Amino acid sequence: ETGVTQSPTHLIKTRGQQVTLRCSSQSGHNTVSWYQQALGQGPQFIFQYYREEENGRGNFPPRFSGLQFPNYSSELNVNALELDDSALYLCASSTDSGGYTFGSGTRLTVV
Amino acid sequence: QQQVKQSPQSLIVQKGGISIINCAYENTAFDYFPWYQQFPGKGPALLIAIRPDVSEKKEGRFTISFNKSAKQFSLHIMDSQPGDSATYFCAASRVQAAGNKLTFGGGTRVLVKP
Repeated sequence: ETGVTQSPTHLIKTRGQQVTLRCSSQSGHNTVSWYQQALGQGPQFIFQYYREEENGRGNFPPRFSGLQFPNYSSELNVNALELDDSALYLCASSTDSGGYTFGSGTRLTVV
Repeated sequence: QQQVKQSPQSLIVQKGGISIINCAYENTAFDYFPWYQQFPGKGPALLIAIRPDVSEKKEGRFTISFNKSAKQFSLHIMDSQPGDSATYFCAASRVQAAGNKLTFGGGTRVLVKP
């Protein structure tokens, strides 16, 4: 079973609200990435953190922000939610030498 | 801008048949090409991956073929089983780049009929 745990699994928010999604990865997984997967599409890279610092960002507006903590947990925050933010949000982590392990995702619905 | 194009969008194969999924990339700096399998309600799971110094890699019933000059790679699923019914994504990345994001294809939904 995957070593990456995401919470919550599902949530519904109202347009304009803010949301925080959480991810817990395995010890030693210094890199964590977040992806947005719209229905029927491939995941799109949001940003990546390495040892608590952002070191890569995709084509997403600043209202998408994140944090990585020393205990290998991380957060994705989205402000001013829009209807188009409805998607599956995936967290993926890796060691310095390995490939990515994805969590099962958080299904966000914005109404 | 879609840097990895995947085809077909869906395919149906009989049990025991061969499933073939193709991907083409644009960025010649990519040096890591994984394939992911995703079941409904789950995150993508790494299936098999290849580096550009190898033209083919086989793991069990899954084979990646890689053509560097054509900037194309493909996944072959031999002896397809109903349990292989899932969505498959190809991806590409630059391993040594900071923030080495995975760029995914659009996905192929595979249905294996018993």
